[in-house]
Amino acid sequence: GNSVTQMEGPVTLSEEAFLTINCTYTATGYPSLFWYVQYPGEGLQLLLKATKADDKGSNKGFEATYRKETTSFHLEKGSVQVSDSAVYFCALSAGDNYGQNFVFGPGTRLSVLP
Amino acid sequence: KAGVTQTPRYLIKTRGQQVTLSCSPISGHRSVSWYQQTPGQGLQFLFEYFSETQRNKGNFPGRFSGRQFSNSRSEMNVSTLELGDSALYLCASSRGTWANTEAFFGQGTRLTVV
Repeated sequence: GNSVTQMEGPVTLSEEAFLTINCTYTATGYPSLFWYVQYPGEGLQLLLKATKADDKGSNKGFEATYRKETTSFHLEKGSVQVSDSAVYFCALSAGDNYGQNFVFGPGTRLSVLP
Repeated sequence: KAGVTQTPRYLIKTRGQQVTLSCSPISGHRSVSWYQQTPGQGLQFLFEYFSETQRNKGNFPGRFSGRQFSNSRSEMNVSTLELGDSALYLCASSRGTWANTEAFFGQGTRLTVV
């Protein structure tokens, strides 16, 4: 079946440090890949997505590239801020074109210290 | 544009009881999905409804059920509650046309079973 693996953390960084959160996936077919972020007490917010190989998703300084050859979708940000402290989820949606069925990774808790 | 609204935000129930959770999707969205989030199991897909029909279903017992109304609002029901059902239940809505469409999440309903 489909699955997503990501580093669980917690990850603690100083403000302005470089961030990488690794994500790899296993899927049949041609999945779409997503990064969602969850702030304390909140639901999930879409951070970025990529729907085919070599696509790069980007938003708010975060980037991730869909690498089919390595089945990866690593999240990066060049300079993190305290406000980026949250839990980050990598997810895939299998491409059967018949609806939503996200498979999520376990989440990576990020803490950014001033 | 209003987001996904889940009610109630918090619930405390006793083992053996049943509970109904409600979700109002973003206007124009016809797909509603439900997820269970626990510290041990992470985010797990429960089911998805589109135009009042269940399209996808996760691996949960029959005690978990749902429905969708003609206005796309959805309800989720859990019968004969168990302690292990304590979780954050998240609802997500999307236009639902393709599996690569992003989902928008509500803030969730925190269910505690005592």
